[in-house]
Amino acid sequence: KNEVEQSPQNLTAQEGEFITINCSYSVGISALHWLQQHPGGGIVSLFMLSSGKKKHGRLIATINIQEKHSSLHITASHPRDSAVYICAVLDRGSTLGRLYFGRGTQLTVWP
Amino acid sequence: DTEVTQTPKHLVMGMTNKKSLKCEQHMGHRAMYWYKQKAKKPPELMFVYSYEKLSINESVPSRFSPECPNSSLLNLHLHALQPEDSALYLCASSDRLVSEQFFGPGTRLTVL
Repeated sequence: KNEVEQSPQNLTAQEGEFITINCSYSVGISALHWLQQHPGGGIVSLFMLSSGKKKHGRLIATINIQEKHSSLHITASHPRDSAVYICAVLDRGSTLGRLYFGRGTQLTVWP
Repeated sequence: DTEVTQTPKHLVMGMTNKKSLKCEQHMGHRAMYWYKQKAKKPPELMFVYSYEKLSINESVPSRFSPECPNSSLLNLHLHALQPEDSALYLCASSDRLVSEQFFGPGTRLTVL
């Protein structure tokens, strides 16, 4: 079973600040997902990555496979970014599609 | 169409009721998933279907019965549930089992 750890658990920021959320995992993976969940809502897939870096608007995700670590960065944070951010991994060689989830990071951005 | 839809959005049922949750996608995905999520916890995998066949059942109690009648549709039949089954039930789909999963908005279930 892949152990997925996220930090921090809670994060508060002022609007405009640069945000970093970290994710580490214990066993080699084939892919890592970053997911976003607003209160009471469904889950939105932000990124799926297996190497390097991806960027979408103000969001940047990086992964270091050797160090078993990924980061999600939000530039110029905005109150609408307030949500829970979840890291989930797919084990290397998995053929069953089972994701292992971190416990999530609650982000609150104040105006 | 790039979304996963779920109905109903909210469901309240008694312990003796029978109800069903529905999930639909029209992205041509061949893998579909049911998750259960309790408040402030990550989703827990319940079932995985691949090409309309059940590939994972995470030891879910038999009061939850999944059904995949075709590649676009996934149902979860509920019977004799317990109050502790109250949760957000999320459906997801992916092109293949190892592809990016796309989630629906969820059904908020309350069992009285």
